[in-house]
This record gives sequence, C-alpha cells and structure tokens, in this order.
Amino acid sequence: DTEVTQTPKHLVMGMTNKKSLKCEQHMGHRAMYWYKQKAKKPPELMFVYSYEKLSINESVPSRFSPECPNSSLLNLHLHALQPEDSALYLCASSQVEGPNEKLFFGSGTQLSVL
Amino acid sequence: DQQVKQNSPSLSVQEGRISILNCDYTNSMFDYFLWYKKYPAEGPTFLISISSIKDKNEDGRFTVFLNKSAKHLSLHIVPSQPGDSAVYFCAASGSGGSNYKLTFGKGTLLTVNP
Repeated sequence: DTEVTQTPKHLVMGMTNKKSLKCEQHMGHRAMYWYKQKAKKPPELMFVYSYEKLSINESVPSRFSPECPNSSLLNLHLHALQPEDSALYLCASSQVEGPNEKLFFGSGTQLSVL
Repeated sequence: DQQVKQNSPSLSVQEGRISILNCDYTNSMFDYFLWYKKYPAEGPTFLISISSIKDKNEDGRFTVFLNKSAKHLSLHIVPSQPGDSAVYFCAASGSGGSNYKLTFGKGTLLTVNP
C-alpha cells in the first residue's frame, strides 16, 4: 500500500465556517506534511510532523491548525479562512523527516472559500 | 529567491519522440533531486530521483541527468506517450540544516500530441 488518502476531495466553505481536512497513510511513515498549492505554482510547505510531533510550522496563520492524532493520521483544522486561502491542500508522508527522503502525496483537497 | 528554476513553463512534443525537461538550481547544498508528475486536481506522483554522487539514473522510459558543475538537471522521456501529458515538477533537497526540506520548481507542462 503506497497510498496517501485525503478527504474530502472538494470542500466549499464560508469565511465563518469551521471544517477539517483529513489525511491517512498506512505505509508506516513517521513524517507527515501539509502543503498548499495555488494554480500554476509549486507546492508550498505548511507543516511537518515527525513522530506525531510538530516539527516545522512555516509561519502559517493560526486559522490553520494541524493535528496528528496518531502515526497514520493527520488533520488540518480550518477556521475563519479568507478567500485567498482557496487552494489545493496536499498531504504527504515520508519514512522519516530528513534528507534524501521521497515524499508520497495524496490527491489533495480542493478548497474554495467564499 | 527561487532556488529551483524550471524556465520552460510548457513543452509540446510529438508521440514517440523524446521529451527533455530542464531544471536549474542555485543552492550548492542541494544533493538530492527528484522529479514529480502531476495531473490536474491530483497530488504529485514521484517519478524518479538522483543523488549528487551520480550523474545519471534510469528507470524505464525515464532518465534523469545531473550536471553538478552547471547546477543543472534534466529529465528525458523516450519514447513520449500521450499519457505522459502532465505538469512535471523538479524538486531538490540537501543534507545540511534546514536544506533537507524539499524545494520545488514552478513546473513544466508537457503536452504529448498523438
């Protein structure tokens, strides 16, 4: 199983809503990532979890709140988002956090904030 | 400051011919390079990688060449197939400090015409 599964695939939310994005992997990977990708741009790193602990926060606004309940799951809680937060949100995993690691990506959640 | 550059936003080739996608980098600490393929509304899929101790890595129809002195790498696809039509991202990471985080280029849209 080399899959990273993300739900939902599409999400439309208002600026006052609270929603969550979910990500799951069963490859035994101990590093998990959230990326944001706008159209025609490269993926941008948001957060890294290593062994279920937050390792990197790339100065992401607090309206994005990550959570890693266990080694297989990664959530991204969304609250009071802005229209400019509309993007494809990608989850990824790798065996561990560090150099020379291949990241395996999920299909993403296409988020639209109205 | 872009550390990984893909200067061609798009490339169009005929089915059966060779596709050559180029990537340049500026960070001399980068020592591991990857190519990802991305279809619309999907996450990037790992394609092939190369370590700086090598200058060539081959996997089926895909070959990556690395020229460290020029800080340049290229992905060759031969023969190209219509199913190869996608956005190709070059990514790089290094062993030192925070350089291990993957840095992506902006991508090149490859169109293979039947």
